[in-house]
Amino acid sequence: EPEVTQTPSHQVTQMGQEVILRCVPISNHLYFYWYRQILGQKVEFLVSFYNNEISEKSEIFDDQFSVERPDGSNFTLKIRSTKLEDSAMYFCASSDHMAGGTYEQYFGPGTRLTVT
Amino acid sequence: AQKITQTQPGMFVQEKEAVTLDCTYDTSDPSYGLFWYKQPSSGEMIFLIYQGSYDQQNATEGRYSLNFQKARKSANLVISASQLGDSAMYFCAMREGSGGYNKLIFGAGTRLAVHP
Repeated sequence: EPEVTQTPSHQVTQMGQEVILRCVPISNHLYFYWYRQILGQKVEFLVSFYNNEISEKSEIFDDQFSVERPDGSNFTLKIRSTKLEDSAMYFCASSDHMAGGTYEQYFGPGTRLTVT
Repeated sequence: AQKITQTQPGMFVQEKEAVTLDCTYDTSDPSYGLFWYKQPSSGEMIFLIYQGSYDQQNATEGRYSLNFQKARKSANLVISASQLGDSAMYFCAMREGSGGYNKLIFGAGTRLAVHP
């Protein structure tokens, strides 16, 4: 069964460093998302991406964040200068484009980012 | 106002019994979708069940069913014949609008413990 994959599973970085979180969405999906979950809290939307551009972004997704689909398979989230409060689990998700579909979002296993 | 409210931070149930996890939502959009996800201790987000706002019948997926009461704006998850492996965090989520790129808004979650 097709699945969303994410690398790395765990990333430890120092405050102020840049990190890139990588995702490979399901191959025929056209909608891509990043969410984050601070430990013990609910899942929060960061950004959605469709047709090579951002569809929507949340207040969390400030100038320090960017997303890119550098090729036909990868979808990346970059944090330019990490802060302690960026420590969280980051989930990538993708959904299909079939009209009348549920647009169910399939989540990757997550990348746990720890900023020290 | 909260878009998704899960009022039960924790629930426990005896193995083989049924359990209902509550979810209420708030939206003025006539087109929306409701989702339930399971998050085991390993951290991944597993899709369980989907209910569209125009669906006439309650959704069912194996041991999961969704008790959808549109007028009350509730979408409770019913797990029948609970198993030890059902112990996890459960999140209710909503997608407003019919667009495939629309974000999911999550509730705070309910932690379910299944006792033998």
